[in-house]
Amino acid sequence: DTAVSQTPKYLVTQMGNDKSIKCEQNLGHDTMYWYKQDSKKFLKIMFSYNNKELIINETVPNRFSPKSPDKAHLNLHINSLELGDSAVYFCASSTRERIYGNTIYFGEGSWLTVV
Amino acid sequence: GIQVEQSPPDLILQEGANSTLRCNFSDSVNNLQWFHQNPWGQLINLFYIPSGTKQNGRLSATTVATERYSLLYISSSQTTDSGVYFCAVARGSQGNLIFGKGTKLSVKP
Repeated sequence: DTAVSQTPKYLVTQMGNDKSIKCEQNLGHDTMYWYKQDSKKFLKIMFSYNNKELIINETVPNRFSPKSPDKAHLNLHINSLELGDSAVYFCASSTRERIYGNTIYFGEGSWLTVV
Repeated sequence: GIQVEQSPPDLILQEGANSTLRCNFSDSVNNLQWFHQNPWGQLINLFYIPSGTKQNGRLSATTVATERYSLLYISSSQTTDSGVYFCAVARGSQGNLIFGKGTKLSVKP
């Protein structure tokens, strides 16, 4: 009964490949996110998405794209992988029932290594 | 954008000691959360605390929104408290959290 689950947990792939990381939440939340944690442990928002709008951090390369088949899923697609994409990617979700502020829950992370 | 600064960046404690971690932010926020990232990389939500004081067992947190800071108190620390503690804030109707660089805590037996 994991609240936010990501697969795969570990992914090693070659430069130039296209890969996807899947995320599912069973909390009934209406907003999902992708965060990237770099080698210095710095966490940065990549995307937030609910059924009405997608907000993209302007620093995210367009090789990265979120895809949401339904409210409970937000998958991350990465095209033409580069060495600098190596990082831990965290999926998260929250509810926006309260307009000002909400508690966010993270998945366990997906360790991506590009070689 | 909002700047989030955490101090100290590193902290080493003996088991049983108490500690205070600080988070300063540069603008008004309506969302502030504290997280613990354990040595296995899991991010655990500790507190949602845009203002006021909350306690959960040996942990407590206080946010003084008017002065733009939050404090996380850890009492009687245990080795399992080791890891990185992050403060994160957001403003407006979006929940996109901006994270500080974290405080790395090591509790020695």
